[in-house]
Amino acid sequence: GAVVSQHPSWVICKSGTSVKIECRSLDFQATTMFWYRQFPKQSLMLMATSNEGSKATYEQGVEKDKFLINHASLTLSTLTVTSAHPEDSSFYICSAGENYEQYFGPGTRLTVT
Amino acid sequence: AQSVTQPDIHITVSEGASLELRCNYSYGATPYLFWYVQSPGQGLQLLLKYFSGDTLVQGIKGFEAEFKRSQSSFNLRKPSVHWSDAAEYFCAVVLSTDSWGKLQFGAGTQVVVTP
Repeated sequence: GAVVSQHPSWVICKSGTSVKIECRSLDFQATTMFWYRQFPKQSLMLMATSNEGSKATYEQGVEKDKFLINHASLTLSTLTVTSAHPEDSSFYICSAGENYEQYFGPGTRLTVT
Repeated sequence: AQSVTQPDIHITVSEGASLELRCNYSYGATPYLFWYVQSPGQGLQLLLKYFSGDTLVQGIKGFEAEFKRSQSSFNLRKPSVHWSDAAEYFCAVVLSTDSWGKLQFGAGTQVVVTP
């Protein structure tokens, strides 16, 4: 099946700094990628839909200036958490879509101290 | 309102026993239906999906699901669970009219397997 990777798998950063998370589709080209946030023992919350070569579409309530998404190629999308604060600590998961199916990355655990 | 409901937040099952996880949806038209499994600290793995056709769908790891239009349900089953089946299970849908294929998830069901 299709493989999606994320890097890093975990990251600790200080409050006020920015963190970039990469999402790559390894064996297929993904026109569309999705970014989710998951709090402990909760479901996935869609943050934004990322389309190659165009601006991301953010879900209601997600700050687009705080969570910058760039989908520069058909295999790479990045999420940058700018000026991170402790409340941004979470598990971030990306997925890449193909024919109405989504393949998920392993997730990135972000801890902001 | 459009929604995906997993009524059971937590299920405990003995190893070797059967398992059934419930999923109901509320949409104007039949969406595309999925079941995903998530192990702790991991991403999601697709167990099975239903787009159309045969309403009994076979998936990986011995799981199957049955689509019942009259009940707006897509319940997941496994005849005999293994300790490795302990995980979080998510039912999800994609509206067939959504060209981007955005998934909408249920709240999830935590499955605990006892010896």
